[in-house]
Amino acid sequence: EVQLVESGGGLVKPGGSLKLSCAASGFAFSSYDMSWVRQTPEKRLEWVAYISSGGGSTYYPDTVKGRFTISRDNAKNTLYLQMSSLKSEDTAMYYCARHRTGNYFDYWGQGTTLTVSS
Amino acid sequence: DIVLTQSPATLSVTPGDSVSLSCRASQSISNNLHWYQQKSHESPRLLIKYASQSISGIPSRFSGSGSGTDFTLSINSVETEDFGMYFCQQSNSWPRTFGGGTKLEIK
Repeated sequence: EVQLVESGGGLVKPGGSLKLSCAASGFAFSSYDMSWVRQTPEKRLEWVAYISSGGGSTYYPDTVKGRFTISRDNAKNTLYLQMSSLKSEDTAMYYCARHRTGNYFDYWGQGTTLTVSS
Repeated sequence: DIVLTQSPATLSVTPGDSVSLSCRASQSISNNLHWYQQKSHESPRLLIKYASQSISGIPSRFSGSGSGTDFTLSINSVETEDFGMYFCQQSNSWPRTFGGGTKLEIK
């Protein structure tokens, strides 16, 4: 059974940093592209980072480019999202998702919540 | 960026009704359109890929159609477990984007 378990969310002050983790199991993690997708308090979904299976390619939308960094450790079956210069608009539930060939998201974790507030 | 507009924002239906949810893209995206269902307090779940391709484990009452800029998710005879939010997502270009969602609620 595919499982994605996020951790690391919390309350951070504007301008602060945080690193999210996603532990994967039940599939050959190193063979799959992965992404982070967030859901705002208004329930809007926004893709925020993509990484290829080997880690050689990454993509970001302009809203987080230069502030967020996605990475992975295939030996540990773990995906990461390093977030810095956080803003109030980054407040959201952050989901780790398996991103099939960078196209559709076929499995999602349960999410971890980030709140950016002073 | 490609903007996806979903309509209606809310759809109130009675179990047993058949419904159609719309997703319109701001430019042609061929068939690179995917649908997700999200129930309250749960993560999104993939329903349909590439506009009309079925997903293993998803009930056959869910179907998708369309290409180019206009897409439809149809639910044949809605069941109580189907109530929740539905989102479309495009993979024609980066950044990947989602529609604003349609809430399917019980009338």
